[in-house]
Amino acid sequence: GNSVTQMEGPVTLSEEAFLTINCTYTATGYPSLFWYVQYPGEGLQLLLKATKADDKGSNKGFEATYRKETTSFHLEKGSVQVSDSAVYFCALHSGGSNYKLTFGKGTLLTVNP
Amino acid sequence: DTAVSQTPKYLVTQMGNDKSIKCEQNLGHDTMYWYKQDSKKFLKIMFSYNNKELIINETVPNRFSPKSPDKAHLNLHINSLELGDSAVYFCASSQDGTRNEETQYFGPGTRLLVL
Repeated sequence: GNSVTQMEGPVTLSEEAFLTINCTYTATGYPSLFWYVQYPGEGLQLLLKATKADDKGSNKGFEATYRKETTSFHLEKGSVQVSDSAVYFCALHSGGSNYKLTFGKGTLLTVNP
Repeated sequence: DTAVSQTPKYLVTQMGNDKSIKCEQNLGHDTMYWYKQDSKKFLKIMFSYNNKELIINETVPNRFSPKSPDKAHLNLHINSLELGDSAVYFCASSQDGTRNEETQYFGPGTRLLVL
C-alpha cells in the first residue's frame, strides 16, 4: 500500500534560517506529491505539489522536487519567517479508484524571531 | 465566500451523547471527505463520498454515520460519544477524487471535546 514518511518534529529555527523537512514515500504507479500546511487553529491548505518525476513545486518561497529515484519530496525554504510557523504535511495521491490522499504524520515548525 | 465550511467550530459534550457536524462546499466538487486529526496532529481519513455515494469507509466504528443529502453536503453524525472521539474533524472536497493531481480543499475543522 501507499505510505509517506516525513521527519519527526518539532523543528525549531531562528528567523532567516534554512529549512529542510524530509519526506519519502512508497506508492504503486505514478503518484502526485503534495505539501499541505496547517497554520495554528486552521484547516489544511495546499502549499505546493508536483505531478511527475523531476517536477519542482514552489510557492511562497518554499520548494520541493519530485525525485523518483530516491522516492523523495523534501521541502525547502532558504529563509524562514515567524509567519511560517505551522504544521507541514507531506502527502501523495496515486489516482485511479484510490480516492484518497495518504498523509505523513506532520512536522511542527516553530520559527523564533 | 468560504469554499468549504463546517459547523460548529467547537463542540463540547458529555460521554454517551449523540452529535452532528455539518459540512458544505460551494466549489461544485463531486467528492467530499471526513478526516480525524488526533492530539498529535496525525490525520486519518474516515469517509469519502463521490456524488452522494460512499466510496471509502476506513474501518470507522459504526457509531459514526456520514450522510450526504446532495453532493455539496456531507454531514457526520456520531452516536454514543466516547472520550476517544475527542479530536479535530476536518471536512474536505475535491473535483473528482480519482485524478492524482487534484488538490483537496479543507474546511476549518470542528474541535470536539468529549467529557
